[in-house]
Amino acid sequence: QSALTQPASVSGSPGQSITISCTGTSSDVGAYNYVSWYQQYPGKAPKLMIFEVFNRPSGVSNRFSGSKSGITASLTISGLQAEDEADYYCSSYTLSTHVVFGGGTRLTVL
Amino acid sequence: QVQLQESGPGLVKPSETLSLTCTVSSGSIRDYYWSWIRQPAGKGLEWIGRIYTSGTTNYNPSLKSRVTMSIDTSKNQFSLNLISVTAADTAFYYCARDRAARTFDFDYWGQGTLVTVSS
Repeated sequence: QSALTQPASVSGSPGQSITISCTGTSSDVGAYNYVSWYQQYPGKAPKLMIFEVFNRPSGVSNRFSGSKSGITASLTISGLQAEDEADYYCSSYTLSTHVVFGGGTRLTVL
Repeated sequence: QVQLQESGPGLVKPSETLSLTCTVSSGSIRDYYWSWIRQPAGKGLEWIGRIYTSGTTNYNPSLKSRVTMSIDTSKNQFSLNLISVTAADTAFYYCARDRAARTFDFDYWGQGTLVTVSS
């Protein structure tokens, strides 16, 4: 099972909005609404930011939103802040391996 | 707030067995699935497998032949054994809680522990 495809890096200025894409296949992202997103700071464990495509866990800022169209899921961060600079990973349920992750996207806040 | 803490050797010799334990605190281990996920330094995440409080397991097919997981509800602990390790198994290993049974997303994570495979 190949990893989901994410851009290696994205960047934006404070206050702007950015979107990170996560492209899978008809066997994972396209087949199930079980897409999640994680934020990871260097040396730290990942943190769940979005689950089931667009749901936010309690305590996660509403500046983070998720969506999906076909085989591509997206994470949008609005009102970009310096503290958002981190790595972001998407994941999806898939019947074959249960879970497949994206390769990760490094977000730089300019 | 549920807390998870990995423990185990940080150095394992090639061909030997990697053994890690995750201790769950500030919450019960019952009625959830518990996963192991690893991440080579500077690389992406890989799900290894999970175990339910009943002992039911699901493993990543790519690792299934080498992985065994167990759970001890009396100690609020679950464990990972990975046999016949090679340098490719060097990674940060995280234990995590599955938020729900069907969705394979993870809402609580341990801090991670680095396991290096080297002679």
